[in-house]
Amino acid sequence: ETGVTQSPTHLIKTRGQQVTLRCSSQSGHNTVSWYQQALGQGPQFIFQYYREEENGRGNFPPRFSGLQFPNYSSELNVNALELDDSALYLCASSRGLGEQFFGPGTRLTVL
Amino acid sequence: SQQGEEDPQALSIQEGENATMNCSYKTSINNLQWYRQNSGRGLVHLILIRSNEREKHSGRLRVTLDTSKKSSSLLITASRAADTASYFCATDGRDDKIIFGKGTRLHILP
Repeated sequence: ETGVTQSPTHLIKTRGQQVTLRCSSQSGHNTVSWYQQALGQGPQFIFQYYREEENGRGNFPPRFSGLQFPNYSSELNVNALELDDSALYLCASSRGLGEQFFGPGTRLTVL
Repeated sequence: SQQGEEDPQALSIQEGENATMNCSYKTSINNLQWYRQNSGRGLVHLILIRSNEREKHSGRLRVTLDTSKKSSSLLITASRAADTASYFCATDGRDDKIIFGKGTRLHILP
């Protein structure tokens, strides 16, 4: 157990809908990173938040957005869902750029 | 895009044997990390090696780093059934973003 939790565990949406995924950081961690992992692939970096500010972004369109709250928990929002958005979404918390602790992930299926 | 590339993509060995996985990357790094993932769930951090280190040990794990060849290896000694998982290397370099490879799927045969 890493102390990082994600909700929900599984989610099914239809194309065009919007989704919000949530992540609670490990105590004392001020940085949250989000990753998308397609089946059989490695995690792809979406973005990172440090002290409530976006601190780096991967090659994902603007319909992927995020928030980090004062308690350092975080949300990932995806608008206008596409079939290719079906994946495991992982969040990881850390103290700055230190060791990342991953949550169990949210599996999103877009129909 | 993925910077790290693990090799082999899949590996099956008998329990008790040693497993070796390799990772190659393209640009300069600060650190290289190895992670394990069981059945598509969250990743577990195994070991971090800094760019100025050449070898690191943790229990049955041994990691080497050759920055001149831009490569790293993960050795798991005396493998166990519980080692069956996917293993990923992750590098951080430009922009401090952490980039994962596609992973090696390790299967330990009884």
